[in-house]
Amino acid sequence: DTGVSQDPRHKITKRGQNVTFRCDPISEHNRLYWYRQTLGQGPEFLTYFQNEAQLEKSRLLSDRFSAERPKGSFSTLEIQRTEQGDSAMYLCASSLVQGTGEQYFGPGTRLTVT
Amino acid sequence: EDQVTQSPEALRLQEGESSSLNCSYTVSGLRGLFWYRQDPGKGPEFLFTLYSAGEEKEKERLKATLTKKESFLHITAPKPEDSATYLCAVQGLYSGNTPLVFGKGTRLSVIA
Repeated sequence: DTGVSQDPRHKITKRGQNVTFRCDPISEHNRLYWYRQTLGQGPEFLTYFQNEAQLEKSRLLSDRFSAERPKGSFSTLEIQRTEQGDSAMYLCASSLVQGTGEQYFGPGTRLTVT
Repeated sequence: EDQVTQSPEALRLQEGESSSLNCSYTVSGLRGLFWYRQDPGKGPEFLFTLYSAGEEKEKERLKATLTKKESFLHITAPKPEDSATYLCAVQGLYSGNTPLVFGKGTRLSVIA
């Protein structure tokens, strides 16, 4: 039984560079979510997909952020022209549409922008 | 707007010293209230879902309860391995099966 996986686990980049993160959800889960967590805070919702369709985006998701789930399986989150304020843990979660609501999280990708 | 407030921010217990963590919430129709455990540098680990006032769920030394305005996570005779941040989240009935709104968490330290 494999859970949600994320890659890379850690990423250090210089301000202005682009970065891309990958998330592989639990195989039978059709909903996939991206959250961002900073130190001392709970996770904050960024966006979610049902199958390949992106159904909702938070106002936190600036134009520099883009997410895809091209075949309804894995997802990528890209941040263009990174800023120091983008430094955070990026968490991916998945769930079933007809499930009981709980979302299962991956280990996260820690982004540090220098 | 859905909101979650957790208290205390941090809690230090001696091994075996039982206590409770609080999660107060406001939501326009509760679909579910969720408790997660998060270890440093890791993603949140699902613990419980509660759906209606009066509901209780237990797992080992943890018991979660729910009222119309708050939830409690009771920790009975904690051990050092229970040290973690405990997160509470709500899902609104009218937002569908979508985003969870989290509190900031309670950092629990259990000292041997």
